[in-house]
Amino acid sequence: GDSVTQTEGPVTLSEGTSLTVNCSYETKQYPTLFWYVQYPGEGPQLLFKVPKANEKGSNRGFEATYNKEATSFHLQKASVQESDSAVYYCALGDHDTNAYKVIFGKGTHLHVLP
Amino acid sequence: AQTIHQWPVAEIKAVGSPLSLGCTIKGKSSPNLYWYWQATGGTLQQLFYSITVGQVESVVQLNLSASRPKDDQFILSTEKLLLSHSGFYLCAWSLDREAEQFFGPGTRLTVL
Repeated sequence: GDSVTQTEGPVTLSEGTSLTVNCSYETKQYPTLFWYVQYPGEGPQLLFKVPKANEKGSNRGFEATYNKEATSFHLQKASVQESDSAVYYCALGDHDTNAYKVIFGKGTHLHVLP
Repeated sequence: AQTIHQWPVAEIKAVGSPLSLGCTIKGKSSPNLYWYWQATGGTLQQLFYSITVGQVESVVQLNLSASRPKDDQFILSTEKLLLSHSGFYLCAWSLDREAEQFFGPGTRLTVL
């Protein structure tokens, strides 16, 4: 079945350093890929989505490229801030069937030190 | 603007007792609706989705059921709670199957 595997956390960085959270997926379909961010006690918020292969999504300084050949969708940010501390989820939307299924990775907890 | 409201904010319930959680979306007609469960420190598990009033599909049951009595309302329920039902329950909506999902603030459930 479909699956999403992402960097296991927690990831601890100092402010101003770069971030990469790896995300790999498995599916036989043609998914839309998402990155969500979740702050403590809240529901997840969409960072961005990328519906097509070889396209890039970006928001708030975060970006990721949908690499169909490598089945990857790694999240990157050049310079993290303390306010980026949160849990980041890579997700796969299986839209080629009748099911409205979205599969989330296990999440990566990012802790940015001031 | 669309708003999504979940109730209650938090619940503490006894094992074996019934449960009803609610979700309302305002400002969007005929949304697709979803229920998710999140264990403490865990990922999001999709439970149910609904694309129209009266129609609900199960993804993972976990001894729970869902109903959509109105276009803007989604209910999650069970007659007998288990300890394993503890966690964070999230309602979400989307415009269509390929669109991003927007999540509500969640309900924290503790089963003792």
